[in-house]
Amino acid sequence: GQQVMQIPQYQHVQEGEDFTTYCNSSTTLSNIQWYKQRPGGHPVFLIQLVKSGEVKKQKRLTFQFGEAKKNSSLHITATQTTDVGTYFCAAGTPYGQNFVFGPGTRLSVLP
Amino acid sequence: GAGVSQSPSNKVTEKGKDVELRCDPISGHTALYWYRQRLGQGLEFLIYFQGNSAPDKSGLPSDRFSAERTGESVSTLTIQRTQQEDSAVYLCASSHALRTQYFGPGTRLLVL
Repeated sequence: GQQVMQIPQYQHVQEGEDFTTYCNSSTTLSNIQWYKQRPGGHPVFLIQLVKSGEVKKQKRLTFQFGEAKKNSSLHITATQTTDVGTYFCAAGTPYGQNFVFGPGTRLSVLP
Repeated sequence: GAGVSQSPSNKVTEKGKDVELRCDPISGHTALYWYRQRLGQGLEFLIYFQGNSAPDKSGLPSDRFSAERTGESVSTLTIQRTQQEDSAVYLCASSHALRTQYFGPGTRLLVL
């Protein structure tokens, strides 16, 4: 079955440092979504990427979809304490009817 | 309603009892998902409903788990003969098919 990996599992950064999480799939994807879950909260949609090589930006967040549509990354510039949480990628396959979530990357930001 | 709602928000039960969890999706959303999230872990897909199509039950961990959805409305997830390993947050999400998933606040289940 499809496997979705995320690295790193945990990341501790000092406020102001950059952060990147990577999502890798064993199969070619139709699209990929990113979600953020604050401690004690539920996942909240951030963005969806569909096209090969697509890059989207949301303020300090930059999302990329790989050329082969098997991997994606989320980069946060100059982290803030409000960025704390777990970031999940959710992979959509060309033939599947649902999304497979990665295990998430838990980000801690030290003030 | 404005978002996905779930009830109860918390449920404490004894091992061996049955529990029923409810999800009210956003009106008009054709797709509904159930996930399980153990403490500090990722999202584990359980089941997916899309319109009137047969549900994708491939994520249900055992035959003690079942879910129903009538049309494009409320869904219930039932866990029979609960075990301590069933303790987790059960999250429901709804969407227009293969688009943004809107998550409910979850039901925190504790099996003693």
